[in-house]
Amino acid sequence: DIQMTQSPSSLSASVGDRVIITCQASQDISNFLNWYQQKPGKAPKLLIYDASSLEAGVPSRFSGSGSGTHFTFTISSLQPEDIATYYCQQFEKLFTFGPGTKVDLK
Amino acid sequence: QLHLQESGPGLVKPSETLSLSCTVSGGSITRSSYYWAWIRQSPGKGLEWIANVYYSGSTYYNPSLESRVTISVDTSKDQFFLRLTSVTATDTAIYYCASLRRPPQSSSWNFDRWGQGTLVTVSS
Repeated sequence: DIQMTQSPSSLSASVGDRVIITCQASQDISNFLNWYQQKPGKAPKLLIYDASSLEAGVPSRFSGSGSGTHFTFTISSLQPEDIATYYCQQFEKLFTFGPGTKVDLK
Repeated sequence: QLHLQESGPGLVKPSETLSLSCTVSGGSITRSSYYWAWIRQSPGKGLEWIANVYYSGSTYYNPSLESRVTISVDTSKDQFFLRLTSVTATDTAIYYCASLRRPPQSSSWNFDRWGQGTLVTVSS
């Protein structure tokens, strides 16, 4: 099984701050990684696929990078509507999600 | 724009079978490059992929659940289904259906559309 870890598990930031979340895979997954946003009471929403490709309609302040075992998700300028939990997900071997990073406002 | 909607009982007794349906609208379930998936979310285990199915009937299962899970599809109704047998309290979760996009000549897979989710509680 491929295990996914994320850090931090939660963070508080101010509007306009740069937010960075990391995701680590237990083995090399190339760029086979997606990022999702989940707001309370809602289903997850795809933001980034293939580690760095922005899903259509997603604001450009969201970005992703990385390959192999280490990946980064960035919000360049945090907006109030970005308050949510963010998950990474690998698809190198079947599908596994990370435990999530909860982002709230300071 | 694809829309998915889960339906099924919200309460299942221990040892019984959980059965859910997902209705796809805004596009045919037979569209190429798309599989159809079930994912669940519980406080204890986070987001957990359960299974996916192609319109032709080919399936993939999470090995940890495979012995208890069946996923199937009915193309005439644009629906797909989940059966989970011998449920216990640990199967209590929000169950989501989702579309799993697989572009041609690509290694990419992503869950690009999700239903709103349905809470299933296992309790006597």
